[in-house]
Amino acid sequence: GAGVSQSPSNKVTEKGKDVELRCDPISGHTALYWYRQSLGQGLEFLIYFQGNSAPDKSGLPSDRFSAERTGGSVSTLTIQRTQQEDSAVYLCASSPPGTKVGGYTFGSGTRLTVV
Amino acid sequence: GDSVTQMEGPVTLSEEAFLTINCTYTATGYPSLFWYVQYPGEGLQLLLKATKADDKGSNKGFEATYRKETTSFHLEKGSVQVSDSAVYFCALRGEGFNKFYFGSGTKLNVKP
Repeated sequence: GAGVSQSPSNKVTEKGKDVELRCDPISGHTALYWYRQSLGQGLEFLIYFQGNSAPDKSGLPSDRFSAERTGGSVSTLTIQRTQQEDSAVYLCASSPPGTKVGGYTFGSGTRLTVV
Repeated sequence: GDSVTQMEGPVTLSEEAFLTINCTYTATGYPSLFWYVQYPGEGLQLLLKATKADDKGSNKGFEATYRKETTSFHLEKGSVQVSDSAVYFCALRGEGFNKFYFGSGTKLNVKP
């Protein structure tokens, strides 16, 4: 597609339930990133995929969070046993290969509300 | 570790007013610096960037100069428009790293 697509755009879930957030990066973009934007906070790095390399998971806040990227394209961020503090906007971004300096292209995000 | 601090909002200005949004950073080496903008209901977009000291990034009338001596990258615009109302994020990308570090964002409201 023309941009990074994320789904759903909004998700309300009950505390303790599992959720899956999906990201479709721009075709041909080898790098994919997940960030979290909590209310009043900056953007927090979660995880980074680059091609077939092992992902950089250093930003995942707990073992309830996991992400995978199938076929080097679509990525799914899974949050297990959701907690209220998980409520945030989850942003996905992608960038093309060979980008040493430059911006990402971000999706519009998934707003997750845990009640 | 690397970090970015930007002024808290919201910032409310009248149309045609001068805008400054302050951003300072902490980083080792020579990071690249960025400003991103998020318009209502849209995703983040790259607004401008600077990759080395004294570089000036500019786009859509916005400017920011990479000041290593003051570790700053303040965003300025001489005459804001209602359409500039958005949230602005300052960010840095550390030397040799792929992760960005973002400020908390500054919401700008421009009134007609």
